[in-house]
Amino acid sequence: AQRVTQPEKLLSVFKGAPVELKCNYSYSGSPELFWYVQYSRQRLQLLLRHISRESIKGFTADLNKGETSFHLKKPFAQEEDSAMYYCALMGGFQGGKLIFGQGTELSVKP
Amino acid sequence: EAGVTQFPSHSVIEKGQTVTLRCDPISGHDNLYWYRRVMGKEIKFLLHFVKESKQDESGMPNNRFLAERTGGTYSTLKVQPAELEDSGVYFCASSLMGDQPQHFGDGTRLSIL
Repeated sequence: AQRVTQPEKLLSVFKGAPVELKCNYSYSGSPELFWYVQYSRQRLQLLLRHISRESIKGFTADLNKGETSFHLKKPFAQEEDSAMYYCALMGGFQGGKLIFGQGTELSVKP
Repeated sequence: EAGVTQFPSHSVIEKGQTVTLRCDPISGHDNLYWYRRVMGKEIKFLLHFVKESKQDESGMPNNRFLAERTGGTYSTLKVQPAELEDSGVYFCASSLMGDQPQHFGDGTRLSIL
């Protein structure tokens, strides 16, 4: 079964601290993984996808097929990083539907 | 470039009534998706259009839900009759190709009383 698990509902850190938002997946094929973010009063937007291998707003995520994980990391959290973060897996025939995790609310305190 | 637009932003109806949600994708995006998030649960896929054709409707919960995309432009999602468990936020997304990142609308918050 295709599944995405984000074990933490809420993650609270202080400004300047490192952040790691966990994401594990279950997928029988070759996965395509994404991180989406929703800031307060804004729409869901793409943060990064694993095939791009880029860093956006200081965030990176590495696909670990052995551990079936795609954790999101940032070495120094900023207050403006506070938001809901969703890990998602692209499943379905020829791409298409996204399978989302439950989401993790990140709160960065001053 | 205008983003994905959804209407209405919020709808409150009584159980048993009918509601129609609308989504206007980004111009030129052939792929259009509907998702929903019900209270306390994750965002779940409902269906996927490629142009006017339903590519995947495996997430549609039951036959009270009807999605259309006439002419391959905007899409509507009708719930008839609405039940209490249909309450949630309904998102629409679009993409140029099926394997490309999806752009989301603001969502429609549906409340069934």
